Amino acid sequence: KQEVTQIPAALSVPEGENLVLNCSFTDSAIYNLQWFRQDPGKGLTSLLLIQSSQREQTSGRLNASLDKSSGRSTLYIAASQPGDSATYLCAVELPIPYITQGGSEKLVFGKGTKLTVNP
Amino acid sequence: NAGVTQTPKFQVLKTGQSMTLQCAQDMNHNSMYWYRQDPGMGLRLIYYSASEGTTDKGEVPNGYNVSRLNKREFSLRLESAAPSQTSVYFCASSALGRQGYYEQYFGPGTRLTVT
Repeated sequence: KQEVTQIPAALSVPEGENLVLNCSFTDSAIYNLQWFRQDPGKGLTSLLLIQSSQREQTSGRLNASLDKSSGRSTLYIAASQPGDSATYLCAVELPIPYITQGGSEKLVFGKGTKLTVNP
Repeated sequence: NAGVTQTPKFQVLKTGQSMTLQCAQDMNHNSMYWYRQDPGMGLRLIYYSASEGTTDKGEVPNGYNVSRLNKREFSLRLESAAPSQTSVYFCASSALGRQGYYEQYFGPGTRLTVT
């Protein structure tokens, strides 16, 4: 059974600091890996999706890497800002058995890292 | 373009009551999903629907039923609510994303409390 672990569970940093969030998964047979952001009381916003054949993806100050063979992904946030305060969720995308129709994959989530960036 | 919408946003039920959570998407997606999010547990898949007319169980289906009414709508029903079903429920649908791979888009959630 696929398990996804995120470390640390919570992180508090001063504004301007560069930081790394970690995600590990137990089974390397994944389609993709996705990082989400969740603000308190809100839904999930997709930040980055890394295909299983890729090593990294970048969007603005965010960079996500994937090492499928070791079952690890990291989310790097450069020059953190108070607006980055949120919970960050990592999810691996798995095929649903016997369903071959594209778009029918399930996500297995980690428990998240709660990030606080202090002004 | 509203994306994925969920109703209601909040609900309080008494043990044994029933209710239906509604989800709709206007993006013409084939696949739709229901997740629940509990403190310290992350999100877990309850049910999913690969296409109109089909539904399948996820990790935690007990106590729930679903209906894929049409391509747009996917509802989740609690027949006899229990306190263990107190949670935040998220609906999602999936489509081909900008990077050329399928990714899931989430609704804002329904916060359900069962007393």
